[in-house]
Amino acid sequence: GQSLEQPSEVTAVEGAIVQINCTYQTSGFYGLSWYQQHDGGAPTFLSYNALDGLEETGRFSSFLSRSDSYGYLLLQELQMKDSASYFCAYGQNFVFGPGTRLSVLP
Amino acid sequence: IAGITQAPTSQILAAGRRMTLRCTQDMRHNAMYWYRQDLGLGLRLIHYSNTAGTTGKGEVPDGYSVSRANTDDFPLTLASAVPSQTSVYFCASSDGASDTQYFGPGTRLTVL
Repeated sequence: GQSLEQPSEVTAVEGAIVQINCTYQTSGFYGLSWYQQHDGGAPTFLSYNALDGLEETGRFSSFLSRSDSYGYLLLQELQMKDSASYFCAYGQNFVFGPGTRLSVLP
Repeated sequence: IAGITQAPTSQILAAGRRMTLRCTQDMRHNAMYWYRQDLGLGLRLIHYSNTAGTTGKGEVPDGYSVSRANTDDFPLTLASAVPSQTSVYFCASSDGASDTQYFGPGTRLTVL
């Protein structure tokens, strides 16, 4: 089977850096994706890692270590608008983690 | 149409009634998906379709059916709704070449 684990909540202050971790268990591997979802909205794609290492997209970066079955999303220069839920997702037919709710405080 | 649309936006339904949630995309994506999202449980895959004419079961398919007669449309049908099907339903699509999914705005369904 496939499963992903994430922390349920993370809190940080504006301007800070926060890391959201994701660990997974799977019999195969097709890459790890990250999605953002604001309350009442739809998930939107942030980043994808097919190979080990860091992928950077503006203030957001994502890291993958396939040997450790582990990845993380790094958010820099946090802004109030970054308050949202963040999901890691795996696989060709997309198994999603339970989500991490990020609260950014002034 | 731009991207993915879903209809209705929200619906209150009596238990036992039949309901079809509509999903249409204009990006010519081969793959389409239906998820339900419940508080604390994240997104769970109900059914998927990798290409027109084919469908597959996801993690929670019981009580739901889908069809994929063409590339653009992927309706989800609840044959006889039950209260446990109260949820927010998201349709998504991907081109299959990348691992990016594009989500519709969702349908909030309440079954009483």
